[in-house]
Amino acid sequence: AIQMTQSPSSLSASVGDRVTITCRASQGIRNDLGWYQQKPGKAPKLLIYAASSLQSGVPSRFSGSGSGTDFTLTISSLQPEDFATYYCLQDYNYPFTFGPGTKVDIK
Amino acid sequence: QVQLQESGPGLVKPSQTLSLTCTVSGGSISSGSYYWSWIRQPAGKGLEWIGRIYTSGSTNYNPSLKSRVTISVDTSKNQFSLKLSSVTAADTAVYYCARDPIVGATPDYWGQGTLVTVSS
Repeated sequence: AIQMTQSPSSLSASVGDRVTITCRASQGIRNDLGWYQQKPGKAPKLLIYAASSLQSGVPSRFSGSGSGTDFTLTISSLQPEDFATYYCLQDYNYPFTFGPGTKVDIK
Repeated sequence: QVQLQESGPGLVKPSQTLSLTCTVSGGSISSGSYYWSWIRQPAGKGLEWIGRIYTSGSTNYNPSLKSRVTISVDTSKNQFSLKLSSVTAADTAVYYCARDPIVGATPDYWGQGTLVTVSS
């Protein structure tokens, strides 16, 4: 199975900060990667699919980039509602695998 | 807008079979444009992909669970289901159902999740 790693595992940031989260795959996955936001007690919400495509209804402050093995999720200006845990998911081949998550909390 | 809702027992005894159903509303499970997935998350931990099914009945499972998992679809009821046999405490988790577009494959709509506890 493809292993997904994320860094950092957690970060503290302030409203208005630019935040970047990195996801790395153990082998090339083209651009078959999604990013999710999860808040406590809630289902994950899809933010980005195909590495860089913004899911409908998601604010434009979220963006994704990368291909092959290295990917990033960027929040251009962190808002109070963005404090959450973020996961990447590879859907290149089976079994689909998630990264371990990055928790973004308030500095 | 499509909605997914998980249902099933919240408590299962060790060695028994966990059975969950996902009811899809606001769209047809037979549309042919989607796969239908199950994903789980133990408390305080990360997400694990369990498997998915296409309308035709074709399935793909996580090898780590493959010997114990069965996913099926009932198009007449607009539902799909998960069965996980021989459960242990390690199977205690919130179980989510989700929809995967054929194009893109990334699960886009998820159910709210249902907690299943394995305990005697």
